[in-house]
Amino acid sequence: QVLLEQSGPEMKKPGTSVKVSCKTSGYTFVNYGVTWVRQVPGQGLEWMGWVSGYNGHTKYAENVQDRLTLTTDTSTATAYMELRSLKSADTAVYYCARDPGVFLGGDYFDPWGQGTLVTVSS
Amino acid sequence: QSALTQPASVSGSPGQSITISCTGTKDDVGTYSFVSWYQQHPGRSPKLLIHGVTKRPSGVSSRFSGSKSGTTASLTISGLQAEDEADYYCCSYVGSSASWVFGGGTRLTVL
Repeated sequence: QVLLEQSGPEMKKPGTSVKVSCKTSGYTFVNYGVTWVRQVPGQGLEWMGWVSGYNGHTKYAENVQDRLTLTTDTSTATAYMELRSLKSADTAVYYCARDPGVFLGGDYFDPWGQGTLVTVSS
Repeated sequence: QSALTQPASVSGSPGQSITISCTGTKDDVGTYSFVSWYQQHPGRSPKLLIHGVTKRPSGVSSRFSGSKSGTTASLTISGLQAEDEADYYCCSYVGSSASWVFGGGTRLTVL
C-alpha cells in the first residue's frame, strides 16, 4: 500500500520560513518523483513544483521559484518542501503526491498525502 | 499561467450522466495528451480519476470517463450516485513553461 504521510500543521509569522515533510512508504522511492500542490482554503489547486526521487532534480512554478526549495532524503524515502519569506497569501493546505516522473515530471499525481495546513499570520 | 476554465458548478439527479468541461489553450490541453482529473471530497485529499486524457487507474469506477476535443477536455460521470458529490479538478501540462496547471474546479451536486 502506497502511503505519503505529511508533517503536522504549522503557524508561522510573515517573513519566516516553513519546511513540510512527506514520508513515503509502500514503493521504491527512487523510481518516482514527488509533486507539491497547495490549496488556499475554499479555493482551487495550484501546482508548486516537482522533485525527482532518483537524482533530486527539480522544477518549480514561476510564481514561487524564488522562495521554494524541494529536496529529498533517499535514506528515509522522505521529500521536503521549504517555502521562505512567507506572506499571508501563502496560508494554504500543502499536499505532496507521488509522481511517475523520475527524470522529468510525470503526467499525473497519485496518491496524495493528507495535506499540511500552513497558517501565516502576525 | 492562467488556470484552465471549468464551470463553477454542475448538478444532476441519481442515475443521470453529467459532463464537466475543461478549456485550455494550444499551449496545454490543445497540444498535449497529459490531462488528468481529480475528485476531492470536503476536507479530503484529491484522488486521481483519469490520466492521459482517457486512462482510468485500477480501482476507479468505470462510470468515470475522459475525452478531449481541440482545446477542451471533458470528464463524464454516468449513473450518478450520491457519493459522487464532490469537487472535480482537471490538470494539464503546459508546454511553454514545462509546468502544470489546474482548472478552477467544479462543484458537483447530486440532487
